[in-house]
Amino acid sequence: EVQLVESGGGLVKPGGSLRLSCAASGFDFSGYSMDWLRQAPGKGLEWVSTISSNGRYIYYVDSVKGRFTISRDNFKNSLYLEMSSLRDEDTALYYCARELDGSGTYLDYWGQGTLVTVSS
Amino acid sequence: ESVLTQSPATLSLSPGERATLSCRASHSVIHYLGWYQQKPGQAPRLLIYDASKRATGIPARFSGSGSGTDFTLTISSLEPEDSAIYYCQQRSNWPLVTFGGGTKVEIK
Repeated sequence: EVQLVESGGGLVKPGGSLRLSCAASGFDFSGYSMDWLRQAPGKGLEWVSTISSNGRYIYYVDSVKGRFTISRDNFKNSLYLEMSSLRDEDTALYYCARELDGSGTYLDYWGQGTLVTVSS
Repeated sequence: ESVLTQSPATLSLSPGERATLSCRASHSVIHYLGWYQQKPGQAPRLLIYDASKRATGIPARFSGSGSGTDFTLTISSLEPEDSAIYYCQQRSNWPLVTFGGGTKVEIK
């Protein structure tokens, strides 16, 4: 069974930093591109970042470029999101998700999310 | 960048009725469009990809159609558990992934 479990969320002051983790199991993690997405309270879905299966290709939404860093450890079956210079508008539930094999477009498995709250 | 606009914002129907949800793209996304279901307190679930292909384990009452700029998600006979927000999604402006604003389906 495919499982994605996020952790690392919490309350942080504006300008602060946080590192999110996503533990994957039930599939060949090293064979899939992975994504981070977020959902502000009561709002819709926003894509944040993608990392290719080997970590060579990385992409970000413009609003987080230079502040967030996505990475992965295929030996530990884990995905990470390092967040710095956090802003109020980064407050959201952060999901990790697996890309549908070969599609480069769709997200077929999602974790339950970890909540990040940026507030003074 | 293709913007996705979903309609209606809310759909209120009775069990057994047919639900028709619309997603319109500002520019053609060919057939590269997906649909997701999100129930309260849960993560989104992929229902449909490439406009009309059902994802693994998705009941046959869910179907997708369309191409270019106009797409439809149809739920042929609503079940109480179909109460959720439905989002369309595309990635025509690689690598940017974008979602529509969502349609809330309420079961009377």
